[in-house]
Amino acid sequence: GENVEQHPSTLSVQEGDSAVIKCTYSDSASNYFPWYKQELGKRPQLIIDIRSNVGEKKDQRIAVTLNKTAKHFSLHITETQPEDSAVYFCAAIREGGSEKLVFGKGTKLTVNP
Amino acid sequence: DTGVSQDPRHKITKRGQNVTFRCDPISEHNRLYWYRQTLGQGPEFLTYFQNEAQLEKSRLLSDRFSAERPKGSFSTLEIQRTEQGDSAMYLCASSPSWTGNTEAFFGQGTRLTVV
Repeated sequence: GENVEQHPSTLSVQEGDSAVIKCTYSDSASNYFPWYKQELGKRPQLIIDIRSNVGEKKDQRIAVTLNKTAKHFSLHITETQPEDSAVYFCAAIREGGSEKLVFGKGTKLTVNP
Repeated sequence: DTGVSQDPRHKITKRGQNVTFRCDPISEHNRLYWYRQTLGQGPEFLTYFQNEAQLEKSRLLSDRFSAERPKGSFSTLEIQRTEQGDSAMYLCASSPSWTGNTEAFFGQGTRLTVV
């Protein structure tokens, strides 16, 4: 089955700096990779996703890149703000199959003002 | 409310008691997941359904845990003979299952405390 590894587990940056979180997956058949943000005491919410037919996707200050050959994908947040502080989770699934959505263990991002 | 709803939001129970949680997914979603989350950890997969069929159950899930989705709509998760180690947030999520649309939406979770 799928296994998703996520690094780092904690990340502290200064406001305005960039943050990068990396994930690797094991199942080469996985083709959909969402990223979730979870603020303290709240439910995880989707912030961006990417499918295996593209290598990069951007939405304002956040972007995700995918390297299918290496089976890894990354979340990039530019011009970080204190409200970006949260726990971020990557996940992977094979769309259209009977596979489950598997999450990484999360990265706690702290943006210091 | 058209989102995923879970009930109850909080549950405190004594060790050894049985508890049952309910999840109502988004109505047109045929896939439903149960995850467990402890402080500082990612959602840990427990089980998932496609319509009423339970397709997979985590090996981490003991026989004390059982889940149902009898009509392919709401789901229940029951924990029998609760233990202190069962204390966690239990999250439900739902999604469509067709290619190009598998975004999973989470409920607010049920926080279980076993005392």
